[in-house]
Amino acid sequence: EDQVTQSPEALRLQEGESSSLNCSYTVSGLRGLFWYRQDPGKGPEFLFTLYSAGEEKEKERLKATLTKKESFLHITAPKPEDSATYLCAARGSNYKLTFGKGTLLTVNP
Amino acid sequence: NAGVTQTPKFRVLKTGQSMTLLCAQDMNHEYMYWYRQDPGMGLRLIHYSVGEGTTAKGEVPDGYNVSRLKKQNFLLGLESAAPSQTSVYFCASVMTGVNQPQHFGDGTRLSIL
Repeated sequence: EDQVTQSPEALRLQEGESSSLNCSYTVSGLRGLFWYRQDPGKGPEFLFTLYSAGEEKEKERLKATLTKKESFLHITAPKPEDSATYLCAARGSNYKLTFGKGTLLTVNP
Repeated sequence: NAGVTQTPKFRVLKTGQSMTLLCAQDMNHEYMYWYRQDPGMGLRLIHYSVGEGTTAKGEVPDGYNVSRLKKQNFLLGLESAAPSQTSVYFCASVMTGVNQPQHFGDGTRLSIL
């Protein structure tokens, strides 16, 4: 059974304090690892797709990386507007998307 | 640029009542999905469709039915609502199911009393 585990469940940072979110996955035949951002009362908003180990993608203060067992979302010098829940999802050989429970990030000014 | 639109946004039902949630997408996407999101559970797939006229069961299909009569619409029905179906329901769509990210609506918040 495909599984995706995110840690920590919640993370509180000061503005400018860089950190990383972790997404560990057990998926048969990974077809893609997806990162989403979800704001309160909204649907998930797509951030990145990673397909193979060693791949990296960046967008503003966010950088996503992928190994054979996990993905990291690195947040550099975060701002309060980066506060959100970050979701990780993996698509396996059955083409179904398995989501983690998310990491709630709070960035204090 | 509407994307994925869900109606209604909020609804309160009594146990045993029925209702239909509507999802509409204007991106000409082939695949559509219904998820539920509960605290501490993450997003779980209820039903999905890989094209007009087709539907399939996901991870938690019991108590729900779906229909995809038109390519742009995907309906989720609750025939006899139960308190366990209190949740936030999200619809998503994608051009194909392989490598593209799913696009989500903003959800329907459903409470069953």
